[in-house]
Amino acid sequence: GAGVSQSPRYKVAKRGQDVALRCDPISGHVSLFWYQQALGQGPEFLTYFQNEAQLDKSGLPSDRFFAERPEGSVSTLKIQRTQQEDSAVYLCASSNTGGNEQFFGPGTRLTVL
Amino acid sequence: AQSVTQLGSHVSVSEGALVLLRCNYSSSVPPYLFWYVQYPNQGLQLLLKYTSAATLVKGINGFEAEFKKSETSFHLTKPSAHMSDAAEYFCAVRPYSAGGTSYGKLTFGQGTILTVHP
Repeated sequence: GAGVSQSPRYKVAKRGQDVALRCDPISGHVSLFWYQQALGQGPEFLTYFQNEAQLDKSGLPSDRFFAERPEGSVSTLKIQRTQQEDSAVYLCASSNTGGNEQFFGPGTRLTVL
Repeated sequence: AQSVTQLGSHVSVSEGALVLLRCNYSSSVPPYLFWYVQYPNQGLQLLLKYTSAATLVKGINGFEAEFKKSETSFHLTKPSAHMSDAAEYFCAVRPYSAGGTSYGKLTFGQGTILTVHP
């Protein structure tokens, strides 16, 4: 595709449910990032992949958050036992090797009731 | 450690007036600096970036920013605002990587919402 795509665009979950958010990066992009953007805030880093390797997961807020990129392309961010504080927009970005520019997807807006 | 401070969560200008959005950074190593724009229900779009070349950086849609090391600033300007500039703007920083690695975790500011009045 022409850009980074994310699905679903909107997700409503009841507290305690598990959710899975998908990111399709730009074809050939080695690096993939996940960010969390709370209402009225700037995005905050969650985790980083280089190909299939998760090199940094220091931003994941708890062990309920898990991300994977098994074949080095599509990535999934999973949140187990969702809580209200997980409500946010989850942004995915990709970049090529050595590139300074990250290309962002439209995000998934998660609302936990 | 890096951080970004955007002064003013809301800026309002008249169409045709100067746009000035302020960004100050803190970084222990020479940084790369970015400005992104976000329209409602859309992802972030890169406006411009500073990567240790020219200190005055020109971006898309008539925006530019000047890197001032002495002031640790990277303010975004546009000489004449257009209605279509109304959006939220984010300043971001990442550390300079001399090794050419692709790892570029961004640290964002809180954002500035720009309103343009007719």
